[in-house]
Amino acid sequence: GQNIDQPTEMTATEGAIVQINCTYQTSGFNGLFWYQQHAGEAPTFLSYNVLDGLEEKGRFSSFLSRSKGYSYLLLKELQMKDSASYLCAVVDTGTASKLTFGTGTRLQVTL
Amino acid sequence: KAGVTQTPRYLIKTRGQQVTLSCSPISGHRSVSWYQQTPGQGLQFLFEYFSETQRNKGNFPGRFSGRQFSNSRSEMNVSTLELGDSALYLCASSLDDGLYGYTFGSGTRLTVV
Repeated sequence: GQNIDQPTEMTATEGAIVQINCTYQTSGFNGLFWYQQHAGEAPTFLSYNVLDGLEEKGRFSSFLSRSKGYSYLLLKELQMKDSASYLCAVVDTGTASKLTFGTGTRLQVTL
Repeated sequence: KAGVTQTPRYLIKTRGQQVTLSCSPISGHRSVSWYQQTPGQGLQFLFEYFSETQRNKGNFPGRFSGRQFSNSRSEMNVSTLELGDSALYLCASSLDDGLYGYTFGSGTRLTVV
């Protein structure tokens, strides 16, 4: 089975940096996704990590440590539009067609 | 190119009824997955179809079923609806096994009364 943990809620100030953590325990591992979901909308792809290290994409970066079962999503220069839920999802090697999601982190960006 | 299209967007059903939801994947995508999203449980995997075959199944009762057609469009059916089936049902499509990314539709909001 798989267990994925994320903080439920976070609050940060516009212009600041926020780090959203995700820890996982899986019987196998074939990659980790981060998705952003605004209320009432579809989740949208942010990043995919399969190897250890940091992947940077504009204001968003994602880090993975497979040995620690740990990932984080780093959001820089926060904007009000970044207020959304951020979903961490793991792909198991045995079931590459299935994503197992954490319950998501609701981020509120304030002035 | 067109995204993943789910219909209908909203649905209200009565307990005991059945419902069918539809998902049209991105052109060229042969894998379609279905997820149930509720506030307490987050997104939970229902099943995945690839080339008209169910490749993977989550831990949901047999009341939840699905199928995929030759054009990769997929439907999911829920029979004997229960109040707890009220949720957002999301469909995601990908080229093959999803390692190149999954694209989600906007979902169908099902309310069971």
